Amino acid sequence: DTAVSQTPKYLVTQMGNDKSIKCEQNLGHDTMYWYKQDSKKFLKIMFSYNNKELIINETVPNRFSPKSPDKAHLNLHINSLELGDSAVYFCASSPSGSNQPQHFGDGTRLSIL
Amino acid sequence: DQQVKQNSPSLSVQEGRISILNCDYTNSMFDYFLWYKKYPAEGPTFLISISSIKDKNEDGRFTVFLNKSAKHLSLHIVPSQPGDSAVYFCAASPYNFNKFYFGSGTKLNVKP
Repeated sequence: DTAVSQTPKYLVTQMGNDKSIKCEQNLGHDTMYWYKQDSKKFLKIMFSYNNKELIINETVPNRFSPKSPDKAHLNLHINSLELGDSAVYFCASSPSGSNQPQHFGDGTRLSIL
Repeated sequence: DQQVKQNSPSLSVQEGRISILNCDYTNSMFDYFLWYKKYPAEGPTFLISISSIKDKNEDGRFTVFLNKSAKHLSLHIVPSQPGDSAVYFCAASPYNFNKFYFGSGTKLNVKP
């Protein structure tokens, strides 16, 4: 059973399009995250939700909008895609509280043509 | 401004020997540190952690050492095995806040 699953695994699209990435976790965790891994391989946090409430919102263009319909799902919608959005996006989840390791999905590789 | 740095992009070690992966951080508010292991086309997998009240944590072949005064931590793998070949990420979080800052990773190659 996949603990944190994200779809699609690969996404190739053109500049200016709108796309969504979905994430689901079956670990019963209260907190979910979106990370972006850029070309320099750093994993940078974008958003975090706890029980459907936004708790971390890094300096991310407002073209990126996370949505959490319930605590098991955290989707990422991206409007007006730009070349610089090409990256691998990882979803993760953890129990609430501090000092909690995160469980990651396998990533979505987004390529903008 | 990267607050967590892994200055060695790659490391090659012979099977059976020790692998030492290093990580430096700049933020003195960091209180909790983790190592993740990542295989190609997969997400990072949690390996081992250490809180700032300790200077060493051991789990089987994996030991993490923390030197707070130097703002440095290291991961020791002994003995190294070919299956340990992966990218290892160091991450750190401030006190009481589950927000992690990641390094850029070190690719470990364990040669049979």
